Amino acid sequence: EVHLVESGGGLVQPGRSLRLSCAASGFRFDDFAMHWVRQAPGKGLEWVSGITSDSGSIGYVDSVKGRFTISRDNAKNSLYLQMNSLRAEDTAFYYCAKDMGRSSWYSFDYWGQGTLVTVSS
Amino acid sequence: DIQMTQSPSSLSASVGDRVTITCRASQSISTYLNWYQHRPGKAPKLLIYAASSLQSGVPSRFSGSGSGTDFTLTISSLQPEDFATYYCQQSYTTSLTFGGGTKVEIK
Repeated sequence: EVHLVESGGGLVQPGRSLRLSCAASGFRFDDFAMHWVRQAPGKGLEWVSGITSDSGSIGYVDSVKGRFTISRDNAKNSLYLQMNSLRAEDTAFYYCAKDMGRSSWYSFDYWGQGTLVTVSS
Repeated sequence: DIQMTQSPSSLSASVGDRVTITCRASQSISTYLNWYQHRPGKAPKLLIYAASSLQSGVPSRFSGSGSGTDFTLTISSLQPEDFATYYCQQSYTTSLTFGGGTKVEIK
């Protein structure tokens, strides 16, 4: 059974940094692309970033480019999101999601329960 | 970026009703269109991928259709567990985008 468990969320001041982690199990992690998707309070879903199985291709939504960095460690079955220069508008639940594909992005067939990031002074 | 527009933004329906949600893309996306269900406090769930393929384990009352710019999600007979928010999402480009969501509420 596929399990994705996010961690690392919390309350952080504007301008500070936070690193999210996602521990994956129940599938061959190095065979699939992975993503981060967020949902701000009262808002809809927003794709944040994705990474192919071999880390050869990476993408970001425009609003986080230059501030967030996605990475993965296939030996540890883990996905990460380094978030720098955090802003109030980054406040959201952050979900880790598995892609159906390996070297391109298709759909998110499994999701974690999410971790809450609150950016406030 | 490709903009995804869903309609309606919310609807009220009764158990047993047939429900249709539409999603329009700002440019042609072929059939690179997926549908998700999101209940409060739960992880989102993939229902339909590639516009019309039913994800494993999803009840057959859910169906998807469309290609190009216009797509539809249909629930043939609404069940109590179907009250949720539904999102479409395009994967035609590597800058993935979601629609704004359609909240299905109990009438």
